[in-house]
Amino acid sequence: AQRVTQPEKLLSVFKGAPVELKCNYSYSGSPELFWYVQYSRQRLQLLLRHISRESIKGFTADLNKGETSFHLKKPFAQEEDSAMYYCALYNAGGTSYGKLTFGQGTILTVHP
Amino acid sequence: EAGVAQSPRYKIIEKRQSVAFWCNPISGHATLYWYQQILGQGPKLLIQFQNNGVVDDSQLPKDRFSAERLKGVDSTLKIQPAKLEDSAVYLCASRGTDRQGMVYNEQFFGPGTRLTVL
Repeated sequence: AQRVTQPEKLLSVFKGAPVELKCNYSYSGSPELFWYVQYSRQRLQLLLRHISRESIKGFTADLNKGETSFHLKKPFAQEEDSAMYYCALYNAGGTSYGKLTFGQGTILTVHP
Repeated sequence: EAGVAQSPRYKIIEKRQSVAFWCNPISGHATLYWYQQILGQGPKLLIQFQNNGVVDDSQLPKDRFSAERLKGVDSTLKIQPAKLEDSAVYLCASRGTDRQGMVYNEQFFGPGTRLTVL
């Protein structure tokens, strides 16, 4: 069964500091992973996906199949990055095609 | 384009009462999802529709939850009767295709309905 683990429920950093939100997954096939973000009073929205290999709002995430990880990183955190972040695993096959499995989420707080 | 719409935004009911939530996905999106998000947890899939057919309802508590998408557009999720542990945010999401007909894997979420069961 697929599983996503975000070990940190809360993460606090100061503005300008590097930040890393951890995500580990368990999946028998070839994984497709996403990071979703929810800012205060806004809906859940896609931040980035590993397939795109893009940087969004200064965030990057690299899929490490050996360590089954997809950690989200930003070299210099900003106050506007404060939000809830969810790592999600996409099921690309079988009877659960199109299903997203979410981690428990990490609340990031960036202090001024 | 307009986003996923949900109503109501908030609902407070007593246990054993019934409640229904409504979702209108992004126009043209064939796949619709209902998630339950309990406080402190990530969203958990309840049911997935492809047009008007159910693809996955393995985690839907069918003794009390039901969902339909009769015309393959909007959808309703019902709880009857509600229990205290049903207090959660219910999220609707949809997924579509690009101009070439390739399926997007990105899901677009609605604002959610916050249900409180007393």
